[in-house]
Amino acid sequence: GQSLEQPSEVTAVEGAIVQINCTYQTSGFYGLSWYQQHDGGAPTFLSYNALDGLEETGRFSSFLSRSDSYGYLLLQELQMKDSASYFCAVREDTGRRALTFGSGTRLQVQP
Amino acid sequence: EPEVTQTPSHQVTQMGQEVILRCVPISNHLYFYWYRQILGQKVEFLVSFYNNEISEKSEIFDDQFSVERPDGSNFTLKIRSTKLEDSAMYFCASSSSSISTYEQYFGPGTRLTVT
Repeated sequence: GQSLEQPSEVTAVEGAIVQINCTYQTSGFYGLSWYQQHDGGAPTFLSYNALDGLEETGRFSSFLSRSDSYGYLLLQELQMKDSASYFCAVREDTGRRALTFGSGTRLQVQP
Repeated sequence: EPEVTQTPSHQVTQMGQEVILRCVPISNHLYFYWYRQILGQKVEFLVSFYNNEISEKSEIFDDQFSVERPDGSNFTLKIRSTKLEDSAMYFCASSSSSISTYEQYFGPGTRLTVT
């Protein structure tokens, strides 16, 4: 079956670096996306990896290893506003546009 | 910046009633989606829509659900006979092309409460 595993919660302090891992087991794999969701808000796209390696977008980076079915989101210079839930999501193949989401990681940034 | 809008923000309905959730996707986007999120849980795919027809749907999207694009801007989700377990946040999303469907733009959601 399909599964995307993420830690349920992560806590870090302002200014620190945090890594949120995602391992996936899906019937197909075309790419891994990351979304941020603040409480009561909508998911917002952060980053995407289709190929192995690191993608950097400002303070956020995302990494993918297709051979390990593993990816992570790296958040640097943490700010209080980064407190949110972070979801990895898989697009399973080129013929499908649906995203399959993980259960999410709740990040709490402390002063 | 263009955004996806949804109405209403909150809908309360009685079990067995029909509800219609409305969405206005980003104007030049071609692919439209509905997702739902039960409180505290992950986002779940319901249906995708392209070129005026359903392109894929999940097991959740049974005969009680339907989608429509009645005009050039609106995209609706109808639940014919609501059940208690339909209570969730429903998100509409859109994306601009087949290549970039990994980047979906979500609306603010409609919180559906079935009593």
